[in-house]
Amino acid sequence: AQSVTQLGSHVSVSEGALVLLRCNYSSSVPPYLFWYVQYPNQGLQLLLKYTSAATLVKGINGFEAEFKKSETSFHLTKPSAHMSDAAEYFCAVSGQSGGYNKLIFGAGTRLAVHP
Amino acid sequence: DGGITQSPKYLFRKEGQNVTLSCEQNLNHDAMYWYRQDPGQGLRLIYYSQIVNDFQKGDIAEGYSVSREKKESFPLTVTSAQKNPTAFYLCASRVAGSTDTQYFGPGTRLTVL
Repeated sequence: AQSVTQLGSHVSVSEGALVLLRCNYSSSVPPYLFWYVQYPNQGLQLLLKYTSAATLVKGINGFEAEFKKSETSFHLTKPSAHMSDAAEYFCAVSGQSGGYNKLIFGAGTRLAVHP
Repeated sequence: DGGITQSPKYLFRKEGQNVTLSCEQNLNHDAMYWYRQDPGQGLRLIYYSQIVNDFQKGDIAEGYSVSREKKESFPLTVTSAQKNPTAFYLCASRVAGSTDTQYFGPGTRLTVL
């Protein structure tokens, strides 16, 4: 069965500092991995996804993530945080249930950016 | 513009009442999903549908029901049997055969008074 663990429910950084949000996954098959962002009272927006092509994936808003099979990790990074990056971030892995595709989400990491 | 719409944005319900949340998509996606979001718990799958007239229970289906009579519509009914219905509900859709990318609607916040 697939699962996702996001380390740190809250992360706080200064504006201009590096953003690092951690995600570890468990999957018995080569996974598809996703990062989504959610602003308050809104739906989820896709940031980026890994689908077994390049291990370094670039997404929107300057975010990127690196797939490391040996570490079963897919951490999200951004070199320089902006105030507008404050949001909740979810890592997800694709899985199967009864022959149907589904996404398994981590619990989320809330990112705060302070001046 | 193509996308997913959910209505209403905010919904208040009295205990013991059934309520239906709307989800419509004009993306021509085959699969549709309903999730429940509670603080600190991420998203939990309620129901999903791969094609019209077919749907499957997710991880927390008790107290909920759905229908899929049209490709573009996947309404969710929260019944009085759901013991703790206050939550943020998100609808999503996906193209069959894609790399599992799901696209989300803006959500409905349900509060039971």
